[in-house]
Amino acid sequence: SQQGEEDPQALSIQEGENATMNCSYKTSINNLQWYRQNSGRGLVHLILIRSNEREKHSGRLRVTLDTSKKSSSLLITASRAADTASYFCATAGPGGYQKVTFGTGTKLQVIP
Amino acid sequence: DAGVIQSPRHEVTEMGQEVTLRCKPISGHNSLFWYRQTMMRGLELLIYFNNNVPIDDSGMPEDRFSAKMPNASFSTLKIQPSEPRDSAVYFCASSYRDRDYEQYFGPGTRLTVT
Repeated sequence: SQQGEEDPQALSIQEGENATMNCSYKTSINNLQWYRQNSGRGLVHLILIRSNEREKHSGRLRVTLDTSKKSSSLLITASRAADTASYFCATAGPGGYQKVTFGTGTKLQVIP
Repeated sequence: DAGVIQSPRHEVTEMGQEVTLRCKPISGHNSLFWYRQTMMRGLELLIYFNNNVPIDDSGMPEDRFSAKMPNASFSTLKIQPSEPRDSAVYFCASSYRDRDYEQYFGPGTRLTVT
């Protein structure tokens, strides 16, 4: 079963607006990652936040993590048409190896 | 760095035929993952290797699926015999321990079984 559940499943906004996607998970984690998938392509890593961090920024991306609520959010500011893609959260649990568990994804459409 | 390389990019085959998908991970990465993505089931982890050793194959759907990693630079996913329900995009990804498990995905192989 998948660990992460993204919300909403789909989001449509105008160019220039901010987009917020949420992810909830079930078990303890080492870190949480966000990936983007353009149509017909492989997933691309965007940003990683460790379990002892609460907020992280990368360019127009802002990620928050609340381990007490087992949830994370991804904010894309000043969205562009090129941000149109599916966004997935992925959790890396405690323990060895490097398995991550992907959520169901949020499909974002940015309308020019 | 060439990234994760997968071949073929597209495969169309008839039911009952054997299909072999190939993956070359990024040099130096010590873990390799095979995923399957469909509209109905989303992204599913099939199997992953650490230092060429299979660690978890619980996601492999059935005995028709098998995966090997004979060395650090090559892995195969084989389906024999193939069925129409195996139609999906199959992704290979690799990662390196010191990069906090960040995964690098290949472009995928789109498999169609008729």
